[in-house]
Amino acid sequence: NAGVTQTPKFQVLKTGQSMTLQCAQDMNHEYMSWYRQDPGMGLRLIHYSVGAGITDQGEVPNGYNVSRSTTEDFPLRLLSAAPSQTSVYFCASSLRGREEKLFFGSGTQLSVL
Amino acid sequence: GQSLEQPSEVTAVEGAIVQINCTYQTSGFYGLSWYQQHDGGAPTFLSYNALDGLEETGRFSSFLSRSDSYGYLLLQELQMKDSASYFCAVRDDDYKLSFGAGTTVTVRA
Repeated sequence: NAGVTQTPKFQVLKTGQSMTLQCAQDMNHEYMSWYRQDPGMGLRLIHYSVGAGITDQGEVPNGYNVSRSTTEDFPLRLLSAAPSQTSVYFCASSLRGREEKLFFGSGTQLSVL
Repeated sequence: GQSLEQPSEVTAVEGAIVQINCTYQTSGFYGLSWYQQHDGGAPTFLSYNALDGLEETGRFSSFLSRSDSYGYLLLQELQMKDSASYFCAVRDDDYKLSFGAGTTVTVRA
């Protein structure tokens, strides 16, 4: 049982480059979300989705886009990377929205130079 | 919005008991959750309190007082493997789960 799978694990970008962080879950979860984690700041919600075709903004959405065309996949796009987006990114899912138990992927360490 | 306060660091010896407090201010409230994260790893769910009182799961217990906007995570019989960061989290009226900044627990031999 794979759970929540994130790729890549590590990525280095130059300022202005674009890229997509991939997230897939095989648990038929309705709810998926993206968090970024910075030292001393805990986890901050970027975007979330309560089902295919439905997305909404979290606490820190600027500079990021998401889409949810299938239940399984929830990619996060950086259109023009900035050094302030250097962080560890986690994808998480739960069976339904308003579930307290989130299942997290293993994370993507992103550095923007 | 949400605001959660928890201590940044706690150090204790093996076999000891550690209590990590969490105070919160939210526009709405469904419950208080706790997550554990080992260095370099993903957060994992530990416990959830929707109602006042104590919930026990093995060596870990979690407490909630809604009237005081306060909760804590109690780690008993500390083991070296309990060295990790612990996050409290609250959900407001919609689908957003907000996390505290985390408490780093260091267990010494």
